[in-house]
Amino acid sequence: ETGVTQSPTHLIKTRGQQVTLRCSSQSGHNTVSWYQQALGQGPQFIFQYYREEENGRGNFPPRFSGLQFPNYSSELNVNALELDDSALYLCASSLGLEQETQYFGPGTRLLVL
Amino acid sequence: QKEVEQDPGPLSVPEGAIVSLNCTYSNSAFQYFMWYRQYSRKGPELLMYTYSSGNKEDGRFTAQVDKSSKYISLFIRDSQPSDSATYLCAMGRNEKLTFGTGTRLTIIP
Repeated sequence: ETGVTQSPTHLIKTRGQQVTLRCSSQSGHNTVSWYQQALGQGPQFIFQYYREEENGRGNFPPRFSGLQFPNYSSELNVNALELDDSALYLCASSLGLEQETQYFGPGTRLLVL
Repeated sequence: QKEVEQDPGPLSVPEGAIVSLNCTYSNSAFQYFMWYRQYSRKGPELLMYTYSSGNKEDGRFTAQVDKSSKYISLFIRDSQPSDSATYLCAMGRNEKLTFGTGTRLTIIP
């Protein structure tokens, strides 16, 4: 059984650019949630995908968008990057909508200059 | 006011001590309550999950929820240096999890 993996591990972008982050869910999991964790803060819910459909969204602007593929892997896209987007982006997968089965990946650390 | 309040610490205790970590919340609609442990440069790891008031025990860890006071706690017995990490409380309603800021804990050998 493989765990949740994310790529890349680190990324540096400049303000105004676009970025795509990737997540492979744990084997057997069909739900993926994305979180943003700023330094010294707890993770903030961005959105969740269940069976390729968006299933809920937090307080993030539309320039944060996502996708889930038939194999349940997922992408997070951020357009028009801002300095405040610098954070650790965490992906978590779960079985259905059962939050107690949620496992986090190691995250992608994004720095926007 | 934040929906979930958690003292960021840092908290340092000697090895073997009982650790108490706490969070308060303002949203009575939260349906379930969780505690995560996060080591440096790693993703959070689920420690405890509960959806009712009362105590839930798992090994050295006990989670306590008091819905009437909107207060949750995590107790760690016989603390070990390997317990040194940031502990995050999280509360959920449907698909949305709301996290506290995390408490940084150091267990001193």
